[in-house]
Amino acid sequence: AQSVSQHNHHVILSEAASLELGCNYSYGGTVNLFWYVQYPGQHLQLLLKYFSGDPLVKGIKGFEAEFIKSKFSFNLRKPSVQWSDTAEYFCAGDFGNEKLTFGTGTRLTIIP
Amino acid sequence: KAGVTQTPRYLIKTRGQQVTLSCSPISGHRSVSWYQQTPGQGLQFLFEYFSETQRNKGNFPGRFSGRQFSNSRSEMNVSTLELGDSALYLCASRVSGLLQETQYFGPGTRLLVL
Repeated sequence: AQSVSQHNHHVILSEAASLELGCNYSYGGTVNLFWYVQYPGQHLQLLLKYFSGDPLVKGIKGFEAEFIKSKFSFNLRKPSVQWSDTAEYFCAGDFGNEKLTFGTGTRLTIIP
Repeated sequence: KAGVTQTPRYLIKTRGQQVTLSCSPISGHRSVSWYQQTPGQGLQFLFEYFSETQRNKGNFPGRFSGRQFSNSRSEMNVSTLELGDSALYLCASRVSGLLQETQYFGPGTRLLVL
């Protein structure tokens, strides 16, 4: 069955540290991948998405993600985090069935 | 432009009852999807409606149903509530249902089943 895995459940970083959140998927075919973010008290919103083309995707607020097909991965990165990046981050995939399969999420806490 | 709105925001029900949740998409959006979010299972896709027709469905029992009206507003219904149905129910809308389009999520309805 198709699935999305996020192995980091809770990540704690200091401001200005670099961030990498892991996302792996299980599917042998074409996949579309997404990262969503949910800030405290706010709605889930799209950070970035990958459909095809350049495997390095840039999103909002300085985030980027790299699709590595050979590793079935789509890790989220940010070179220098801010306190305002404290949120829950969800990786999601569409495995050709036009519906999103979400990972369980990673809670990111940034210490000022 | 107003965002996706969901009513009610909070709901408490008892086992065996039924519940109806409502979602108003962003103006001009014709696709509405529903998700269930729980601490144990995360976010799971329930179903999607487009132009009043269910276009896609997740792996949930038949107790979970939905519909969409001609103005694109959508409702979901859960009958014979179980304790495990306690969750945050999220609605998301997009223009025409293509996955390339950004989905905009509402604030959710938090359902507690006692």
